[in-house]
This record gives sequence, structure tokens and C-alpha cells, in this order.
Amino acid sequence: QVQLVESGGGVVQPGRSLRLSCAASGFTFSSYGMHWVRQAPGKGLEWVAVISYDGSNKYYADSVKGRFTISRDNSKNTLYLQMNSLRAEDTAVYYCAKGRRIVGPDAFDIWGQGTMVTVSS
Amino acid sequence: EIVLTQSPGTLSLSPGERATLSCRASQSVSSSYLAWYQQKPGQAPRLLIYGASSRATGIPDRFSGSGSGTDFTLTISRLEPEDFAVYYCQQYGSSPWSPMWTFGQGTKVEIK
Repeated sequence: QVQLVESGGGVVQPGRSLRLSCAASGFTFSSYGMHWVRQAPGKGLEWVAVISYDGSNKYYADSVKGRFTISRDNSKNTLYLQMNSLRAEDTAVYYCAKGRRIVGPDAFDIWGQGTMVTVSS
Repeated sequence: EIVLTQSPGTLSLSPGERATLSCRASQSVSSSYLAWYQQKPGQAPRLLIYGASSRATGIPDRFSGSGSGTDFTLTISRLEPEDFAVYYCQQYGSSPWSPMWTFGQGTKVEIK
């Protein structure tokens, strides 16, 4: 069964750090680009970051560039999002998602259930 | 950055009716790189359509996508009770590792 399971969310003070994890199963994790997408309470979807299948290419939304780092460990079938200098506006449900194709940019065909991050003092 | 504008914001319809959702891009989008998602409350989004018109695995044929350039449409031919949800369009890069994937703001399809 193809599955993504996020973890690591919680309540954190502004300026602090948090690391999210996404455990993948049921597909060849090391072959696909992976993404993080977030959704603030009551709001729409915002793409956050992407990492290529081998970790050699990474891109970020302007809103998180310089503060967030996406990474992966293909030996553990796990995707990460290191979030530093957190702000109130980073409060959201964070989803990991799988790119549909092995080659090239594409839609997201598998999503995790999401993990909630709340930035508040 | 390509901005996607969805309309209407809310669509009030009855089961069995036809739903037509619009997604307009601020600049031309390759048809190969336009997707639609469905999201129900408390759930993750689900991919419905990719490449503007191809249905994802397991998606019923009452869902169809069309369009090109800057204007795209998601049509639900006959609404089932489980179709009442929020729908998002998404564009993705037309060159390898183009650094942006963007979503529209969503259209809510609600029961009239």
C-alpha cells in the first residue's frame, strides 16, 4: 500500500526550530521527487519545497527560502523539512507529497495525512 | 510567478447537477502541467486530473478536465453527494526542476 506518514508537528515559539519527517512506503522512494505543501487554518494550499529523487536539487517558495531546508534519506525512505526561525505565519498543516512521474516536474499523486505546526508564544 | 485565479469562489448546486469550475492563469501554462485536486474537510488533497485532461488512477469518469493556454476547466458531469468539497487547480514547471508549483485559491462546491 502506497503511503506517506508525516510526524514532528507541534507547538513551537516564534524564532525556534522544528523538524518534520515523512515516512514513505509501498513505492520506490528513491526514484521520485518529493514535496512539502502547507495549508494555513481555513486557507488554501501553498507549495513549500521540492527535492529531486537523489537530493541533488532543491527548490523553495520565497516565503520559506533561507529558513527551511528540505532533505531526504533514501536508505530510510524518509523525507525531512527542517524549519528554522519560525514565524506565526508558518502556522499550518504540513503535507508531504510524491511527484507523479519519475522524470520531470509533475502533479502530486500521493499525499500524507498532514502534521500540524503551530507557532505561538 | 504564474498566478492562478479560480472562479467562482463558491458554487451552490444540487446532487445530479453539472458543475463547471474555472481556473485562469496570469500567463500561458503548458497543458501538460495543469492539475486539479479535490479536498474534503479534515483530509489531504486528492489528485483528480493531471496534464489538464488526464484522470488520475481511480477517478470516476464524471470528472473531466479541459482547456489550454490560460483558461482551464474542471467539469463534474453529475454531482454525487461525495463530490461536495473544495477543488484546487495547480500549475507546475514546464522545464525540469522549474522552481515553482502554484495553486489557485480554490472553489468550494456546496450543496444547494
